[in-house]
Amino acid sequence: DIVMTQSPDSLAVSLGERATINCKSSQSVLYSSNNKNYLAWYQQKPGQPPKLLIYWASTRESGVPDRFTGSGSGTDFTLTISSLQAEDVSVYYCHQYYSTPYTFGQGTKLEIK
Amino acid sequence: QVQLVQSGAEVKKPGASVKVSCKASGYTFTDYYMHWVRQAPGQGLEWMGWINPNSGDTNYAQKFQGRVTMTRDTSISTAYMELSRLRSDDTAVYYCARERATVTSGVGYWGQGTLVTVSS
Repeated sequence: DIVMTQSPDSLAVSLGERATINCKSSQSVLYSSNNKNYLAWYQQKPGQPPKLLIYWASTRESGVPDRFTGSGSGTDFTLTISSLQAEDVSVYYCHQYYSTPYTFGQGTKLEIK
Repeated sequence: QVQLVQSGAEVKKPGASVKVSCKASGYTFTDYYMHWVRQAPGQGLEWMGWINPNSGDTNYAQKFQGRVTMTRDTSISTAYMELSRLRSDDTAVYYCARERATVTSGVGYWGQGTLVTVSS
């Protein structure tokens, strides 16, 4: 199984500042035949299902604000929120869909400082 | 718009089975894989498996092999997840979640979740 490890587990950032969440996979999720990283990012607020933010490691889902950016390749990935807004307080998960069993990171809780 | 509406909360005794339904609308049901993901209270997300609604083919996580059965009824655009021999650590919110696109590209749409509580 591919193990996804996020860091940090929790993060407190001031409004308007940058937030950075890291995700490392135990093996590459880059599919060589199409040069795509099978990596997604989700945002989850309390009592709600997760919401897809980013897929293919860096493609923003329709309707997601452009302050959310995904980057990285192979085994190391980053989700960056360029200017934190109050509504961004959530838990964020990375997710690999390269091979089954699909797996998720343990989550990073983002709060306002 | 895509909607996934799940059945209501369940309370089960250890050793029993539970069957959760997920009614899809707003798209062609047979065109997109359906995944099931669970989340124990205060914990992270755990992928259980997927079903191809067109063929009925399934792919289960090894952890749930022998206890989980995913089925579908194309006539009513509904997917089902049945988990048997329930234990207390199966207490969780169970989500159905549709593939974002017709090719593998991550889970894009989620149901509202169904809380299953296992307690004697």
